[in-house]
Parts: sequence; C-alpha cells; structure tokens
Amino acid sequence: ETGVTQTPRHLVMGMTNKKSLKCEQHLGHNAMYWYKQSAKKPLELMFVYSLEERVENNSVPSRFSPECPNSSHLFLHLHTLQPEDSALYLCASSQTGSPSYEQYFGPGTRLTVT
Amino acid sequence: QQQVKQSPQSLIVQKGGISIINCAYENTAFDYFPWYQQFPGKGPALLIAIRPDVSEKKEGRFTISFNKSAKQFSLHIMDSQPGDSATYFCAAAWALSGSARQLTFGSGTQLTVLP
Repeated sequence: ETGVTQTPRHLVMGMTNKKSLKCEQHLGHNAMYWYKQSAKKPLELMFVYSLEERVENNSVPSRFSPECPNSSHLFLHLHTLQPEDSALYLCASSQTGSPSYEQYFGPGTRLTVT
Repeated sequence: QQQVKQSPQSLIVQKGGISIINCAYENTAFDYFPWYQQFPGKGPALLIAIRPDVSEKKEGRFTISFNKSAKQFSLHIMDSQPGDSATYFCAAAWALSGSARQLTFGSGTQLTVLP
C-alpha cells in the first residue's frame, strides 16, 4: 500500500445530499492534492494544499469544498452535486522540496451521483 | 499550454514483446516527467521518472526516452509480461506558487499483454 488511505471507497449520493470524502496520509508529507478521474480523460487536478494552505484551486465549482485541518488529513465536502460529477476522486500527497517530486496516490473514492 | 498529449489510447502486445507509449508537451516550464502505472481499483503509482537534462533512463525492463528539442518522451517496456497489463499515464510537473508541484497528466494508455 502507498500509505495514503481514502474513505469511503464507494459512495452513491443523490443530487441534494451532502457528503464528505476523507483522505489520510501516513508518510509524513506536507502537501496534499485532490484529483478527479473520469473515464477516458486525463486526471484533473482540483485542489492543492501545501503546509496546510491552499495553493491551487483549478476553477472547481463551489459545490466542491476542500478542507485540510492538518498535514495528514484532507477532506472534500460535497453538496448539490450533478450527475456529471460521478467519477473516481483520488487523493495524493508529496513532500515539498523532495528531489523526486513524487506524488503518492490513494486508492480513490468511486462516487456516483444519482 | 499545460496539456500533455499521450498515444496510443490502447495497446495490445504479445508476451515478450516491446510496448511503446508516447507523450508530447508544449510548455518548456515542465521540469520533471514521471510515468504512472494504475491497476483497476488502485490509485496511480510512480513507475519511473526523468528530468529534461537526461535523454534516457532505464530501470529494469522500463526505459524512458526523452527528446527535449522535440518536446517528446516515451516509455518502453521490454519483454512485456501479462502482469504489466494496466493503464499507464505520462505526466509533466512544474512548480506552483509556494513549494508544491503540479502534475499535468496525459489521457492514459490501456496496455494489454497477451499470454
């Protein structure tokens, strides 16, 4: 395993629901990321937190709201989603300043919006 | 232009054959080019990576060839095995504000190695 865990692994929610995705990294990293992976499309970077501060927000709709309470935990709060938001949501972490720049990914949360 | 273009979309090779996946980019600010491997139900995992000051990097059966002038790089899998069947993503990285880095991914290649 990569040391990045995500819960839940699968989530089905209606368009009016509110839910949260959780990510936890056990690698001692100081940067965390949310990606969206849709079929036959490149991974899309959604949010980046470095040293617990958001440094990137790639024009993501406001129905997605990230939260990074500390360097080990990252949340993605979801509300009033659309069916096109159904996708695999991946969390990743990295160590800023590391010469390898490697990002370690979790297994993802498969989200279905009905 | 932050895109990374990857081809082919899918690839089928016989066991023992060579698998070749190609990527191209435009942004000269990219300074790190990793390849990720993803199995069903798993997140992507770093396979091999190269910096633009190196033309080739080899790790076991996996080799990255990098052509800086053409802005192209490719992954070669020698002696392909059925266990290599997965989706492969090329990516390119640059520095964000602060010290975090952003990866731009290609669209992926689904590799199937026939026994």
